Amino acid sequence: DAGVIQSPRHEVTEMGQEVTLRCKPISGHNSLFWYRQTMMRGLELLIYFNNNVPIDDSGMPEDRFSAKMPNASFSTLKIQPSEPRDSAVYFCASRGGLAKYEQYFGPGTRLTVT
Amino acid sequence: AQSVTQLDSQVPVFEEAPVELRCNYSSSVSVYLFWYVQYPNQGLQLLLKYLSGSTLVKGINGFEAEFNKSQTSFHLRKPSVHISDTAEYFCAVSLYGGATNKLIFGTGTLLAVQP
Repeated sequence: DAGVIQSPRHEVTEMGQEVTLRCKPISGHNSLFWYRQTMMRGLELLIYFNNNVPIDDSGMPEDRFSAKMPNASFSTLKIQPSEPRDSAVYFCASRGGLAKYEQYFGPGTRLTVT
Repeated sequence: AQSVTQLDSQVPVFEEAPVELRCNYSSSVSVYLFWYVQYPNQGLQLLLKYLSGSTLVKGINGFEAEFNKSQTSFHLRKPSVHISDTAEYFCAVSLYGGATNKLIFGTGTLLAVQP
């Protein structure tokens, strides 16, 4: 099992640019979660999907953030335009199948906005 | 609403000593409980979980946790730590029966194992 796959692992961009983070959940999992982790705010849930449908996006900071899940094996988190305060590590996690209650995390994408 | 409290932001301990990382939760309904570990520059990895049954749960790497409903606690323990156990540990809770519900995480405890 390849686990949750995230790309890129590192992203450095300039303020105002569009950033797209990608996630491939574990095959057979039907729930997907996007988190953001910073020293100041800790681990924050941004949005989660169940069967490709967004269930709770109350954690999305503002309209600059958007997330999609066009199919069961792919999700994107987009920031447009990016700002320095968006610098963080973004994690994707998935759940489902025999792992009915626990989430499995990807390695994360470290985003730096200059 | 549910909440999770990890009172200790950092726990220093010497190698081969025992350790306990504390976690308390608040919920008006039954919950599922989890401990995750995050090594530097990595994602979170599931250590153990309590869903039902025996209140003493054993996980990976020699860790165990005990669910105490009356004290609403789920403390993590290891009888003898190694340098390699140095990491951030997160306690988390989700609603009982809520397979679609999200996890609520604590703020984390940094376990710093010294030689």
